[in-house]
Amino acid sequence: DTAVSQTPKYLVTQMGNDKSIKCEQNLGHDTMYWYKQDSKKFLKIMFSYNNKELIINETVPNRFSPKSPDKAHLNLHINSLELGDSAVYFCASSQVRGANYGYTFGSGTRLTVV
Amino acid sequence: GQQVMQIPQYQHVQEGEDFTTYCNSSTTLSNIQWYKQRPGGHPVFLIQLVKSGEVKKQKRLTFQFGEAKKNSSLHITATQTTDVGTYFCAGPDNAGNMLTFGGGTRLMVKP
Repeated sequence: DTAVSQTPKYLVTQMGNDKSIKCEQNLGHDTMYWYKQDSKKFLKIMFSYNNKELIINETVPNRFSPKSPDKAHLNLHINSLELGDSAVYFCASSQVRGANYGYTFGSGTRLTVV
Repeated sequence: GQQVMQIPQYQHVQEGEDFTTYCNSSTTLSNIQWYKQRPGGHPVFLIQLVKSGEVKKQKRLTFQFGEAKKNSSLHITATQTTDVGTYFCAGPDNAGNMLTFGGGTRLMVKP
């Protein structure tokens, strides 16, 4: 059983399109996150979501929006895709909100914008 | 804002040699975590250090948390090809809401 699963694994799309990445965790964790990993492997936090409270990294463009239908899911919607959005996106979860517990990461979604 | 820096960025070693990566924070951390990401994989949690001066071991891996809780290190003894990957340290952001990751150290091991 995969603890944190993301779909799709690969996504190739044209500039200007809107796309979504899905994430589900079956660990019963309270909080979910989205990270962006660029070509230099730098991991940047984008969002944290816990019990309907969303915390946004202020550097993230508002074209990115997370949606959580329930505690086990946090999907990422991206509007008007740009070339610079190409990266690997990781979903993660933690037992409780904050940074005092280890995070469990999904296997990632490689997004390529052409 | 709070920054977590790691050095070196890259390290090539011969199998059997030791390896160390260093992590420094601009602020005092309540805890520091270490993750490993294999090539093509995702970050996997290795360990968390909480106490000042703490040292923890996992087989050939030794983790230390500095006395001032602003720096940490990961030391691997007698590297093996299975140790290949990028090692990240991570600490809480200023508000304590989320983990901020260092830039990572990519370890390459020659057999």
